[in-house]
Amino acid sequence: DTGVSQDPRHKITKRGQNVTFRCDPISEHNRLYWYRQTLGQGPEFLTYFQNEAQLEKSRLLSDRFSAERPKGSFSTLEIQRTEQGDSAMYLCASSFGPGVKAFFGQGTRLTVV
Amino acid sequence: SQKIEQNSEALNIQEGKTATLTCNYTNYSPAYLQWYRQDPGRGPVFLLLIRENEKEKRKERLKVTFDTTLKQSLFHITASQPADSATYLCALALGGGADGLTFGKGTHLIIQP
Repeated sequence: DTGVSQDPRHKITKRGQNVTFRCDPISEHNRLYWYRQTLGQGPEFLTYFQNEAQLEKSRLLSDRFSAERPKGSFSTLEIQRTEQGDSAMYLCASSFGPGVKAFFGQGTRLTVV
Repeated sequence: SQKIEQNSEALNIQEGKTATLTCNYTNYSPAYLQWYRQDPGRGPVFLLLIRENEKEKRKERLKVTFDTTLKQSLFHITASQPADSATYLCALALGGGADGLTFGKGTHLIIQP
């Protein structure tokens, strides 16, 4: 069990560019979640997958945000046409199922300049 | 709308004393509640989960209570140590058929030697 892995750890991008983050969950976990955390706030739920199916995406912040989990293993979160307000920590988590503890990765810190 | 309140100001406790953190929620009837610890620049780490039909849960020096009438959870750390200094996050099930968590802003706990 190597834990949840996120890549990159840090990303600096210019406004208007597209960025993509990767999350590798714990291998036995079928559920994968994406959260966003801004300074002084708790994580904010964005979306989640059960295997390759994206079961909730209405809380994605805008249509510039999209997520995939094509083979039910790793997942990617893409932000198109980044804005300064997108600067935040993007966290990925995985779990065995609903209502149980989640394991978080170390996050990807995005800075939009 | 659903609201979770934690004392987001710093809580200073003398080493060896019991630290008590509060999580209040409104407009919500969660099936379970979780507590996480978060250190600066890192992802949250799961500590305890308590379900709506449980009054109290313990794990080593940690204890959590869940009062669904008061809509409140208390999180206790006994015999506190400087290494317990961190931000502690309360999280509730999203509900509405969606898996995932809603987090409070967290309480920054400082244990002074």
